[in-house]
Amino acid sequence: DAEITQSPRHKITETGRQVTLACHQTWNHNNMFWYRQDLGHGLRLIHYSYGVHDTNKGEVSDGYSVSRSNTEDLPLTLESAASSQTSVYFCASRSGEGSGNTIYFGEGSWLTVV
Amino acid sequence: GESVGLHLPTLSVQEGDNSIINCAYSNSASDYFIWYKQESGKGPQFIIDIRSNMDKRQGQRVTVLLNKTVKHLSLQIAATQPGDSAVYFCAELGGATNKLIFGTGTLLAVQP
Repeated sequence: DAEITQSPRHKITETGRQVTLACHQTWNHNNMFWYRQDLGHGLRLIHYSYGVHDTNKGEVSDGYSVSRSNTEDLPLTLESAASSQTSVYFCASRSGEGSGNTIYFGEGSWLTVV
Repeated sequence: GESVGLHLPTLSVQEGDNSIINCAYSNSASDYFIWYKQESGKGPQFIIDIRSNMDKRQGQRVTVLLNKTVKHLSLQIAATQPGDSAVYFCAELGGATNKLIFGTGTLLAVQP
């Protein structure tokens, strides 16, 4: 079955280190998204992509970057991890054909910055 | 700015009762709405969606109602079961950016 997977599922890193969270989907979806989820804020959009080589900033993009070299993957990079980036990160995708397509989420990546 | 919010952060119901989770949205340009269920330690799961040209849509044990006049969305769960215990998010999509905007979530606690 087609799916969306994230790795690692759990990671502890030190302040200032570069961290990359992987997201891979096998639906051949054009649209991919990264969200972070924190208590009191719900899900907030970090970056998103509408296709290969397309990337866009979401509402909380500072300190994060993404790249889209193929349809299946949208890795999220924290250039220099900060304690404020301790969070749960969710990747999502949808086909992008019109506004009514369901968005599917990965299982999440728990990141702790110490 | 755009926002989607929930009226009740926590809802406690007895097993077998019907549950109603409410959501308010502020962007009148949104044309598609989704309810997600998120269990502890997992990603959000799609439950049901509705387009702005509809007032009601039914799924298996769930019904979504959309009142565009007051910008209100509700999720009704019939015969609530312990497995329904989770956080429920409403989300809106549409407008120029076509981005999904989430509410902060409602915790549904089902008492056996």
